[in-house]
Amino acid sequence: NAGVTQTPKFRILKIGQSMTLQCTQDMNHNYMYWYRQDPGMGLKLIYYSVGAGITDKGEVPNGYNVSRSTTEDFPLRLELAAPSQTSVYFCASSHEGQGDEQYFGPGTRLTVT
Amino acid sequence: DAKTTQPTSMDCAEGRAANLPCNHSTISGNEYVYWYRQIHSQGPQYIIHGLKNNETNEMASLIITEDRKSSTLILPHATLRDTAVYYCIVRVAWDNYGQNFVFGPGTRLSVLP
Repeated sequence: NAGVTQTPKFRILKIGQSMTLQCTQDMNHNYMYWYRQDPGMGLKLIYYSVGAGITDKGEVPNGYNVSRSTTEDFPLRLELAAPSQTSVYFCASSHEGQGDEQYFGPGTRLTVT
Repeated sequence: DAKTTQPTSMDCAEGRAANLPCNHSTISGNEYVYWYRQIHSQGPQYIIHGLKNNETNEMASLIITEDRKSSTLILPHATLRDTAVYYCIVRVAWDNYGQNFVFGPGTRLSVLP
């Protein structure tokens, strides 16, 4: 299994541009998550999904959108990039149920200038 | 939500046991204690979790006090590759959907040769 994969690894955006961060998992997990991590800080939950067709907001959803049309894919969309969205973005997945561990992707490093 | 308190940083000699403490004095009865770590620039990695009993796996041991207000992660024989930021997380359930993992700043463990 490849686990959780993310693309791209790095991206530089200009203010106002839009982009989609891709996330795919091949473990048939129901739950998927998007986090952001600012320098020297912990992770903050942006959005999560408990299954195909179901998404919900996390702690810091403003400026982002998600969709979950399949079990495998959970893309994160930035519509109007702002410097405050400069961060490292991690996608994660878990099977389901209480006590289940999350598996993280390698991250996407995004800079907005 | 139960919050956790961890030391900002710790050092450990290679080959010795690393004991990482975590305080979670407001933990409620159905909340688990999770430990993750993040090696530089990589996605977080699950280590271990527990509810009230001590737990051990191939990576570490988790000791939870009887009152559940604190816990200790033990890496029995630390190696240089264990140098990372270690996160102690108490999991909160959102209406039984998803798993809200709140990643704080963690403890930066440096294993010294």
